Amino acid sequence: NAGVTQTPKFQVLKTGQSMTLQCAQDMNHEYMSWYRQDPGMGLRLIHYSVGAGITDQGEVPNGYNVSRSTTEDFPLRLLSAAPSQTSVYFCASREGKGPYEQYFGPGTRLTVT
Amino acid sequence: DAKTTQPTSMDCAEGRAANLPCNHSTISGNEYVYWYRQIHSQGPQYIIHGLKNNETNEMASLIITEDRKSSTLILPHATLRDTAVYYCIVRTSGTYKYIFGTGTRLKVLA
Repeated sequence: NAGVTQTPKFQVLKTGQSMTLQCAQDMNHEYMSWYRQDPGMGLRLIHYSVGAGITDQGEVPNGYNVSRSTTEDFPLRLLSAAPSQTSVYFCASREGKGPYEQYFGPGTRLTVT
Repeated sequence: DAKTTQPTSMDCAEGRAANLPCNHSTISGNEYVYWYRQIHSQGPQYIIHGLKNNETNEMASLIITEDRKSSTLILPHATLRDTAVYYCIVRTSGTYKYIFGTGTRLKVLA
């Protein structure tokens, strides 16, 4: 199993540009989520999904969109990038809502200039 | 979900046990305690979780007090590779969200 994969590893955007961060998992996990981590801070939940076609907001959803058309994929879209969105983005997946461990991807480092 | 409080940083000598405390005084009966760690800027890595009883796996031990208001993660023989930020998280089984705090930065000293 590849686990949770994320692309790209690094990205530089100009203010106002849009882009999609990709996340995929091959463990048939029901639950997937996106976090951002700013320097020196913990992880903050952006959006999460409990299955294909079902998404919900986390702590810091503004400026981001998600969709879940398949179990495997959970892309994160930045609609109009802002410098405040400069961060490291982590995708995670978990088997379900029981007491399961969560698996994290390697992260995408995004800089918005 | 209950909030957690952890010390900002700790040092531990290599080969000694590292004991990382976590306070979760508002924890409710169906909330689990989870521990993750993050090495450098990698994705967080699961360590262990528990509900009431103490738990042990190949990485660590988790000691939960009888009143469940606090817990301690024990790395029995810390190595330099255990230098990381350790997060204590409380989550209700049956909900989906994991809320991370700022964690404890553990530095293992040679």
